[in-house]
Amino acid sequence: GESVGLHLPTLSVQEGDNSIINCAYSNSASDYFIWYKQESGKGPQFIIDIRSNMDKRQGQRVTVLLNKTVKHLSLQIAATQPGDSAVYFCAEGSGSNYKLTFGKGTLLTVNP
Amino acid sequence: DGGITQSPKYLFRKEGQNVTLSCEQNLNHDAMYWYRQDPGQGLRLIYYSQIVNDFQKGDIAEGYSVSREKKESFPLTVTSAQKNPTAFYLCASSMSYSRQYFGPGTRLTVT
Repeated sequence: GESVGLHLPTLSVQEGDNSIINCAYSNSASDYFIWYKQESGKGPQFIIDIRSNMDKRQGQRVTVLLNKTVKHLSLQIAATQPGDSAVYFCAEGSGSNYKLTFGKGTLLTVNP
Repeated sequence: DGGITQSPKYLFRKEGQNVTLSCEQNLNHDAMYWYRQDPGQGLRLIYYSQIVNDFQKGDIAEGYSVSREKKESFPLTVTSAQKNPTAFYLCASSMSYSRQYFGPGTRLTVT
């Protein structure tokens, strides 16, 4: 079936650096994409979303880029902080069935 | 956690017993979802409900059951038929086709 995957399962960065987390999706019909952050033992927290009619969306210290040509999604975190250490999931949705398909996640570790 | 509560946070059961996990939301969301998460893994959809008195199976529904008698509540029962029930269970809700808000999760351990 269709699935969402990640290129890198782990990412280690220095505090203050920019982080880039990548995600590949295979369902060309997907028109909604979300990034979630999950800290250990907690539920996922919404970070940012983007619809397929956009290529880029910015939030506070985060930017999501969508490349529909190659079915690629990325999350950029500027000036990464220790509090950004967590697992980051991308998810995709399509149509009106309300379902999201989640990737396996990338563990981001920020070294002080 | 955005107005979604799950209880209890930790739950321990003996093998062969059914157990019900609670999920309540006060966000007035139409849709609710149950996911299972295993260590180092992503989220897998168990059941979801788009409206009261209606629900659909997700990708791993075998051994689980749900009900949606009220808009605010979507309890999940893990039955003895579930072969490997130990996991972290997450409930979520959304307003139609949009981002899902997650609860804090229930960690179920079956021995």
